[in-house]
Amino acid sequence: EAQVTQNPRYLITVTGKKLTVTCSQNMNHEYMSWYRQDPGLGLRQIYYSMNVEVTDKGDVPEGYKVSRKEKRNFPLILESPSPNQTSLYFCASSFHRITGELFFGEGSRLTVL
Amino acid sequence: QKEVEQNSGPLSVPEGAIASLNCTYSDRGSQSFFWYRQYSGKSPELIMSIYSNGDKEDGRFTAQLNKASQYVSLLIRDSQPSDSATYLCAVNGGTNFGNEKLTFGTGTRLTIIP
Repeated sequence: EAQVTQNPRYLITVTGKKLTVTCSQNMNHEYMSWYRQDPGLGLRQIYYSMNVEVTDKGDVPEGYKVSRKEKRNFPLILESPSPNQTSLYFCASSFHRITGELFFGEGSRLTVL
Repeated sequence: QKEVEQNSGPLSVPEGAIASLNCTYSDRGSQSFFWYRQYSGKSPELIMSIYSNGDKEDGRFTAQLNKASQYVSLLIRDSQPSDSATYLCAVNGGTNFGNEKLTFGTGTRLTIIP
């Protein structure tokens, strides 16, 4: 089954404790991206990757890191989480980079205390 | 001015009627336009894409694009309770955005009343 898999789905952590949200896709997609979704603000792009070893900032990259060492994986790293990073996070992928036809993961709800 | 703007709703429509969802965008050079549906607690899923002016129909869904007015809409005919969801408009490309950037509106919450 074609899918984008994120883990963990739910996480409660404390300020400053590093965490990683994993994302993996099995569709051989070139393009991958991370979004956060907050009430009233909609989906905002954090980082994206057009291919292996190619990443770039989206609209709200502060406090996040990413890496794309393999085509299928695109982890999101919060080095020192803060309460303002409490949000619902979505990983998404697409076959082509110049497209809006995204496949989304199920989402990861993160709470930072 | 927001880059992609939608009425947040909620929009209530009787079952069997036509639901009309609207979206405006600020970058006149935008090239591609998408509608995503997001059920409560779920992830967005693509339901329609449109790239040229006019109408595009897929089953009960019709997307309409008017680049001169910078306006894209989604019509849902014969609305069903299962259509109750938040609908996200997304716009790609354009002179300001760049081809890699997909910008989402904040969504319109649609409720179909049985």
